[in-house]
Amino acid sequence: DQQVKQNSPSLSVQEGRISILNCDYTNSMFDYFLWYKKYPAEGPTFLISISSIKDKNEDGRFTVFLNKSAKHLSLHIVPSQPGDSAVYFCAASGQSSGTYKYIFGTGTRLKVLA
Amino acid sequence: EAGVTQFPSHSVIEKGQTVTLRCDPISGHDNLYWYRRVMGKEIKFLLHFVKESKQDESGMPNNRFLAERTGGTYSTLKVQPAELEDSGVYFCASSQLATGYTDTQYFGPGTRLTVL
Repeated sequence: DQQVKQNSPSLSVQEGRISILNCDYTNSMFDYFLWYKKYPAEGPTFLISISSIKDKNEDGRFTVFLNKSAKHLSLHIVPSQPGDSAVYFCAASGQSSGTYKYIFGTGTRLKVLA
Repeated sequence: EAGVTQFPSHSVIEKGQTVTLRCDPISGHDNLYWYRRVMGKEIKFLLHFVKESKQDESGMPNNRFLAERTGGTYSTLKVQPAELEDSGVYFCASSQLATGYTDTQYFGPGTRLTVL
């Protein structure tokens, strides 16, 4: 049973527009969430994170929103750039789960069109 | 500062053979994790070390997988004997603090294992 779900396997966006990537989770014990970006033949690169005590975190062009009641988080990229084209993974973790392992979604492939 | 490094980058072996993957974490990072991505699916947790101790090995598929972290520095993941379903990309990650669940994990480039 997948505890972290990314239901959109792919997304295409025009350069300069907003990219919105979504992630849902089922385990209410998760309290730390992250987004990673992955280019082909490379490892995942940390992008941005959010703790469950917040509902929004911004870092430059990247903003993560957390809706705990809906068990949903989203990543907004504004403006989108061709270099943002990659696979984006949502991950969740929690101290209460007894370990610090990350539970990942299956990823969303973002393509930013020039 | 050097990132997480993994060796080899690719390994192609035959079913029944043995393969050993190596991970060098970021210097000073107590936490070391192994993950695996199979066939473009999600990245799945295998094992977590805190220094040289196994904190959580609930994700290890079976006893054909053996992970070690001697001296709390680099780690090895041995698969013996390898089976076809072991093919995938094995990632190593490390993080700094021994007790912080909000610590960010930094990933290596991965080792792509192909079992024929």
